[in-house]
Amino acid sequence: GAVVSQHPSWVICKSGTSVKIECRSLDFQATTMFWYRQFPKQSLMLMATSNEGSKATYEQGVEKDKFLINHASLTLSTLTVTSAHPEDSSFYICSASRLAGDRYEQFFGPGTRLTVL
Amino acid sequence: AQTVTQSQPEMSVQEAETVTLSCTYDTSESDYYLFWYKQPPSRQMILVIRQEAYKQQNATENRFSVNFQKAAKSFSLKISDSQLGDAAMYFCAYRPVTSGSRLTFGEGTQLTVNP
Repeated sequence: GAVVSQHPSWVICKSGTSVKIECRSLDFQATTMFWYRQFPKQSLMLMATSNEGSKATYEQGVEKDKFLINHASLTLSTLTVTSAHPEDSSFYICSASRLAGDRYEQFFGPGTRLTVL
Repeated sequence: AQTVTQSQPEMSVQEAETVTLSCTYDTSESDYYLFWYKQPPSRQMILVIRQEAYKQQNATENRFSVNFQKAAKSFSLKISDSQLGDAAMYFCAYRPVTSGSRLTFGEGTQLTVNP
């Protein structure tokens, strides 16, 4: 099966610092990658959609200068939370989409828990 | 815009019993996919079952089955012979068929399985 990894699985940082989260599709090339944010006991909120080699498309209300997304290759996307503050503390999940036959399938990473002190 | 609604924030079921989780959605598309995802305490999203809108037959995966009512825009999940490992948050999700298109999730239903 298709595997998506995220690194790190958890991170604690000081307020004002930047944190980078990696999302990798380990055994397939992802046409598109998605970044979600999830608060406790809530649903996944899509933050942005990224395609390799192009700028990410951000959802309304998501600050693109705050949440920098780089999709360097068909197997790697990164999310950088710049000048992190305690309100950025959350669970961040990526997913990667691939073409399987005549349809697209999405596979989720295990998530990254970010705590900003 | 597409929306997905799960009206049951919490559900509980006795082990070995059957439970049904509800989901409704709104779309103007004629072809799309519907999904149920499970998120256990580990928070890894796990695909439970998928339904293609053009297929009238309800999807089944072992103990999991759906009742897909396209005209009513309803997509419920039935879990038979519930097991303790079924306890999790369940999300209903919608996706158009176009490439790279994103998932729209419902609010989720927290399922508790009582021994």
